Amino acid sequence: GESVGLHLPTLSVQEGDNSIINCAYSNSASDYFIWYKQESGKGPQFIIDIRSNMDKRQGQRVTVLLNKTVKHLSLQIAATQPGDSAVYFCAERGYTGRRALTFGSGTRLQVQP
Amino acid sequence: DTAVSQTPKYLVTQMGNDKSIKCEQNLGHDTMYWYKQDSKKFLKIMFSYNNKELIINETVPNRFSPKSPDKAHLNLHINSLELGDSAVYFCASSLPGLARSQYFGPGTRLLVL
Repeated sequence: GESVGLHLPTLSVQEGDNSIINCAYSNSASDYFIWYKQESGKGPQFIIDIRSNMDKRQGQRVTVLLNKTVKHLSLQIAATQPGDSAVYFCAERGYTGRRALTFGSGTRLQVQP
Repeated sequence: DTAVSQTPKYLVTQMGNDKSIKCEQNLGHDTMYWYKQDSKKFLKIMFSYNNKELIINETVPNRFSPKSPDKAHLNLHINSLELGDSAVYFCASSLPGLARSQYFGPGTRLLVL
């Protein structure tokens, strides 16, 4: 079936460095993608989204890149801070009449001081 | 003000019992969801309601029954709890129509003994 997955389960970076979290998706018909951040003990929190007619979108310290050719999505976090430590999920507009989001398996980002 | 709230936050119960989890959103959204997050952090949609009408019902045992008394509330009732039901259950809401960014509650941690 269709799936959204992440290459690295855990990413460890030094404070101040840039972080890149990757996500591969298999549904070529997906037209909308979202990155979520989930801190320990909390629900997922929206970070940034991108539509399939875009290659790049920037937010505050975050950038999402979309490569439809290879069905790859990435989240770049600039100047990573300890508060960025969390599990990050990518999600795509799902198959169920496009009313649902399909979530990837998550990447844990650990920021070392 | 809490946008999406869930009660209880923790729920420990014996196998075979029946329990309910409540969810309320004050965002004025028409669409609400229930997700299950397993021990590996995988998030999977269970149900979605739009304006009190069930629109998504994934492959979930019929021991799980959602109820939406009004568009601001979506409760989840679980009959005959099993060990495998232990997970974190998240409620979410969004604007109606095609799937888009969803706002998640803090989660209910269910432990079945």
